[in-house]
Amino acid sequence: NAGVTQTPKFQVLKTGQSMTLQCAQDMNHNSMYWYRQDPGMGLRLIYYSASEGTTDKGEVPNGYNVSRLNKREFSLRLESAAPSQTSVYFCASTRRRQGNAGELFFGEGSRLTVL
Amino acid sequence: GNSVTQMEGPVTLSEEAFLTINCTYTATGYPSLFWYVQYPGEGLQLLLKATKADDKGSNKGFEATYRKETTSFHLEKGSVQVSDSAVYFCALSGNRDDKIIFGKGTRLHILP
Repeated sequence: NAGVTQTPKFQVLKTGQSMTLQCAQDMNHNSMYWYRQDPGMGLRLIYYSASEGTTDKGEVPNGYNVSRLNKREFSLRLESAAPSQTSVYFCASTRRRQGNAGELFFGEGSRLTVL
Repeated sequence: GNSVTQMEGPVTLSEEAFLTINCTYTATGYPSLFWYVQYPGEGLQLLLKATKADDKGSNKGFEATYRKETTSFHLEKGSVQVSDSAVYFCALSGNRDDKIIFGKGTRLHILP
């Protein structure tokens, strides 16, 4: 049972470099999310996708782009990385029924350091 | 927009003490409310949830009641154990959009 798989688990970038975090879920969930976790700040929502073909901004979208490639996959792209984007990134998914979210299932996290 | 506010940590208690972690929210409509837990070195996992007013979620001895009149969803446990040491997050899912947002987390340390 893979659940939510995100890659890479660790990455070091230099300022200005670009990269894409990949996320895939095998639970047939319709909604997918990207969060960042920083000390003292909890989890902050970057972008989410309620269904295949739709994406929406969360609380901290600046500096990021996303693509909902299909129902399974939701990628997060940093076009020009900045030190402020050093963080642990979590992908999550859930099934929504009648407007209510179920349990969020999380990936193991991706630790990104921008020098 | 919607928001979640939970008590600042860290919270340090002795084993078998009573635990309360406060969580209040601001939301339009009728959100669903959740508590997630993150054990050291692990990802987040659902602890309990409530989807309508006056619902009580419970799991592993933890409880929280959805109080619409006070817009609160406080987490309680009658007798904590060392194994409960973790970071606890209150979360909210609105029913008018698909955002799921979290509070800042409360780190709990239980001393033997």
